[in-house]
Amino acid sequence: DIQMTQSPSSLSASVGDRVTITCRASQGISNSLAWYQQKPGKAPKLLLYAASRLESGVPSRFSGSGSGTDYTLTISSLQPEDFATYYCQQYYSTPPFTFGPGTKVDIK
Amino acid sequence: EVQLVQSGAEVKKPGESLKISCKGSGYSFTSYWIGWVRQMPGKGLEWMGIIYPGDSDTRYSPSFQGQVTISADKSISTAYLQWSSLKASDTAMYYCARPPTVTTPWDAFDIWGQGTMVTVSS
Repeated sequence: DIQMTQSPSSLSASVGDRVTITCRASQGISNSLAWYQQKPGKAPKLLLYAASRLESGVPSRFSGSGSGTDYTLTISSLQPEDFATYYCQQYYSTPPFTFGPGTKVDIK
Repeated sequence: EVQLVQSGAEVKKPGESLKISCKGSGYSFTSYWIGWVRQMPGKGLEWMGIIYPGDSDTRYSPSFQGQVTISADKSISTAYLQWSSLKASDTAMYYCARPPTVTTPWDAFDIWGQGTMVTVSS
């Protein structure tokens, strides 16, 4: 199975800050990577897929990049509604399509 | 509107069986894979398995193989996750989810059910 790690596991930031979250796969995943946002008590919401493609309706302050094993999610200017937990997920090759452990973004 | 609607919360005792459901609507149910994701209290997301309702092709995570059964009834556009003997460690929120691409599981999940909370306690 492909293992996913994320860093940091949590971060504190202020409204307007630029935030970057990193996701690393245990092997190359050829940009088969998604990012999700989850708020307490809610189902995850897809933000980006194919590493850098923005899901319809997602604000453009969210962006993704990376290749091979290393990927990043960037929030260019953090908004109050962005405080949440963020997960990456790989969907390369054979299942299971593993999730990263999550990064909690809270208010500084 | 494309949506997945899951069955309600369950409270069970260890050793009991359970089957929870996920009903798809607003799309061709047999053309899209449906996956199941576990989230234990205060923890992250775990990919459990995925089924193609068109032919019931099912893939499991090794972590869940033999522990749960995923099935689907295409006549009523419903996918299922079931346990034959629950354990306290099965206490979690369970989500069903669907990728956006017809016929392939190799994609993200863009449609999610609202979740079913399963509590197993004596």
